[in-house]
Amino acid sequence: EIVMTQSPATLSVSPGEGATLSCRASQSVSSNLAWYQQKPGQAPRLLIYAASTRATGIPARFSGSGSGTEFSLTISSLQSEDSAIYYCQQYNNWPSMYTFGQGTKLEIK
Amino acid sequence: EVQLLESGGGLIQPGGSLRLSCAASGFGFSAYAMSWVRQAPGEGLEWVSVISNNGVRTYDADSVKGRFTISRDNSKNTLYLQMNSLRAEDTAVYYCVKHLGAVASPGDYWGRGTLVTVSS
Repeated sequence: EIVMTQSPATLSVSPGEGATLSCRASQSVSSNLAWYQQKPGQAPRLLIYAASTRATGIPARFSGSGSGTEFSLTISSLQSEDSAIYYCQQYNNWPSMYTFGQGTKLEIK
Repeated sequence: EVQLLESGGGLIQPGGSLRLSCAASGFGFSAYAMSWVRQAPGEGLEWVSVISNNGVRTYDADSVKGRFTISRDNSKNTLYLQMNSLRAEDTAVYYCVKHLGAVASPGDYWGRGTLVTVSS
């Protein structure tokens, strides 16, 4: 099983600043990595897939990078609406399992 | 507009069974893989089961293997999850998820979820 580890667990940033969230895979997942945003009481929303491709309707403030085992999600010009938990997910090691990271809670202070 | 509407959740005793349904609309249901993903209260996301677009291939997480069965009826645009031998640790919100394409792709649309509570 591929283990996905996200860091930091919590990140507190001021509005207008940028933030970088990290995700590490226990073995290579190539570029088969997605990022999701989940706000309280809501379902997750796909932000990024194939490590760096923005999903439909996602603003350019969100960008993804990386390949192999190291990935990052960068959010620029943070807004209060960006407060959420962000999850990475690998979909390379199928059919055995798609695994999610434990999440990074982003707070806009 | 893509819509995924889950139903069938509720309170069930340990050892019991439930069948979740997901009514899909707004896209060509038969062209896409579908999954169930769950989230225990206050916890992260856990993928449960996936099914290919034609229903031929299915795969389950080890935690539910042999107890849960995913299926689909493309004529009714509906996804199902039959859950047997339920345990307390199966308590979670269950999300119906449309894949971006085939099974080896992320979920691009998620339903609002249905809560399953396993308790005596």
